[in-house]
Amino acid sequence: NAGVTQTPKFRVLKTGQSMTLLCAQDMNHEYMYWYRQDPGMGLRLIHYSVGEGTTAKGEVPDGYNVSRLKKQNFLLGLESAAPSQTSVYFCASSYSGLAVNEQFFGPGTRLTVL
Amino acid sequence: QKEVEQDPGPLSVPEGAIVSLNCTYSNSAFQYFMWYRQYSRKGPELLMYTYSSGNKEDGRFTAQVDKSSKYISLFIRDSQPSDSATYLCAMKRSAGANSKLTFGKGITLSVRP
Repeated sequence: NAGVTQTPKFRVLKTGQSMTLLCAQDMNHEYMYWYRQDPGMGLRLIHYSVGEGTTAKGEVPDGYNVSRLKKQNFLLGLESAAPSQTSVYFCASSYSGLAVNEQFFGPGTRLTVL
Repeated sequence: QKEVEQDPGPLSVPEGAIVSLNCTYSNSAFQYFMWYRQYSRKGPELLMYTYSSGNKEDGRFTAQVDKSSKYISLFIRDSQPSDSATYLCAMKRSAGANSKLTFGKGITLSVRP
């Protein structure tokens, strides 16, 4: 049982390049989330999904797109990377049957945009 | 004013000290209060949660909520070097997964041997 995994762990992009971050969970969780964590800003929700085929915007969605084609996977895309998107990205998943819907986090992806 | 404010730190204490970590919030609709612990270069993990006001104890950790003051605390007794991590408070309006978590910025704690 791997929990929540994220690919890649590190990435360096040039401004304008695109990339996709992959999140996978093997806990059969319905809910999945993408956050970014910046110094002095805490964790901020980018997009989330309440089930396969659904997505919704969070607090800071601009410049990102997401897709949830399979229940176990949640993809975060950057179409044209900007230096302001340099951050650590965390994926999390949750299940409605859990107390307070505890969110389980992945290990993070460190992205630098030059 | 941000919805959740957390002391920025960092905080450094000697081993065995009692640690007090605090958050204040402005949204009276928050009902569920959580503390996440995040080790360096890892994802956050849920440490404790409480519902509404009151205290909750788990080993060396005690979570306290004062809704009248919109103030929550996490106390760590007999702190250990293994407690060195970033602690994030988080809050939500209801237990449902559709209720989003609002996080504090986190405070980094270092416990010196």
